[in-house]
Amino acid sequence: AQSVTQLDSQVPVFEEAPVELRCNYSSSVSVYLFWYVQYPNQGLQLLLKYLSGSTLVKGINGFEAEFNKSQTSFHLRKPSVHISDTAEYFCAVNRDDKIIFGKGTRLHILP
Amino acid sequence: DTAVSQTPKYLVTQMGNDKSIKCEQNLGHDTMYWYKQDSKKFLKIMFSYNNKELIINETVPNRFSPKSPDKAHLNLHINSLELGDSAVYFCASSQVVGPAGNTIYFGEGSWLTVV
Repeated sequence: AQSVTQLDSQVPVFEEAPVELRCNYSSSVSVYLFWYVQYPNQGLQLLLKYLSGSTLVKGINGFEAEFNKSQTSFHLRKPSVHISDTAEYFCAVNRDDKIIFGKGTRLHILP
Repeated sequence: DTAVSQTPKYLVTQMGNDKSIKCEQNLGHDTMYWYKQDSKKFLKIMFSYNNKELIINETVPNRFSPKSPDKAHLNLHINSLELGDSAVYFCASSQVVGPAGNTIYFGEGSWLTVV
């Protein structure tokens, strides 16, 4: 069965510092991988997704993620974070006809 | 224009009551979903409908009954509310059956508190 693991429940980062949010997936078949962001008191919106092709995927708001098949990872990165990036970030993988979400990582930006 | 809209956004009600949450999408999508997010932010799918037909039912209690009058609407009715039903409920939609490669668009959420 496909699933995702987000190892960090919270990640504190100073403003303008780089950040990496970790995601590992488990699957025996080809996968589609996603990162969603949830700003406070809002719904989820898609940051980026990997379907096939280039393993480096660029998304909105300066985020990017790299699909690494050998390490079964899909880590999310941003070179310089802003206070507006404070949010919950969810890694997700498709399974059957639905998306399975990780438990989320809260990105906390320190001034 | 809001792509996926759900009402109400906030709902406080007593145990044992029956309540409904409505959802509409104006994206022309065929598939709609209900997700539940608990207090620890864990998101879990509850139901999925494709063109008014139920395709996913994730062993949700019978007290939860989705209804899709047309493919643009998917409402959630909850009978005999319990304390454990307190959560944020998200409606979502995608273009075709299954999210494989398709982006899921979420509503803003409905915060349900059962007291």
